[in-house]
Amino acid sequence: DSGVTQTPKHLITATGQRVTLRCSPRSGDLSVYWYQQSLDQGLQFLIHYYNGEERAKGNILERFSAQQFPDLHSELNLSSLELGDSALYFCASAVGTSGPTQYFGPGTRLLVL
Amino acid sequence: KNEVEQSPQNLTAQEGEFITINCSYSVGISALHWLQQHPGGGIVSLFMLSSGKKKHGRLIATINIQEKHSSLHITASHPRDSAVYICAVADPNSGYALNFGKGTSLLVTP
Repeated sequence: DSGVTQTPKHLITATGQRVTLRCSPRSGDLSVYWYQQSLDQGLQFLIHYYNGEERAKGNILERFSAQQFPDLHSELNLSSLELGDSALYFCASAVGTSGPTQYFGPGTRLLVL
Repeated sequence: KNEVEQSPQNLTAQEGEFITINCSYSVGISALHWLQQHPGGGIVSLFMLSSGKKKHGRLIATINIQEKHSSLHITASHPRDSAVYICAVADPNSGYALNFGKGTSLLVTP
């Protein structure tokens, strides 16, 4: 158990819908990273938050957004969903921003029908 | 972007064999990560390396910064080692977000 929690574990929805994925980092970790794992693209970085502020963006679509709240949990919002958004979404937490070990949550498996 | 290449893509070994998975990257880095992804999907961080060698149980990871190459070795492999092993490098321009290789799928048979 990494200490990082993600909800829900599974999500099935339809094209055009909007969903919210939630991540709670390990106690004391200020950084949250979001990653997407799909069959064709593999694992790729979406966005990074540190202590409530957005720090870096990766291959995140404009239809996707995220935020980190004062209690340090983070949410990833996916809207206007398409079939190709079906993937495993992981969050990972870390103490800081200078490259320490990242601890991964169990992931949310999203299926868009 | 730092290109991360892993080899082999797939690997089948018999229980007890010594296993090596290789990783190369294109741009100098501060740290390299080895991750393990179980069939159920969960990802576990095995090592973070910036130089030399690290050992944890039957797992050994080495890195050669000059050659931009790292290896993950598994000694006395066991069926429970069956998983996908992923090499990743931290990108300082993205808050040290990880840039991943495509992974090596390992199957250890009894």
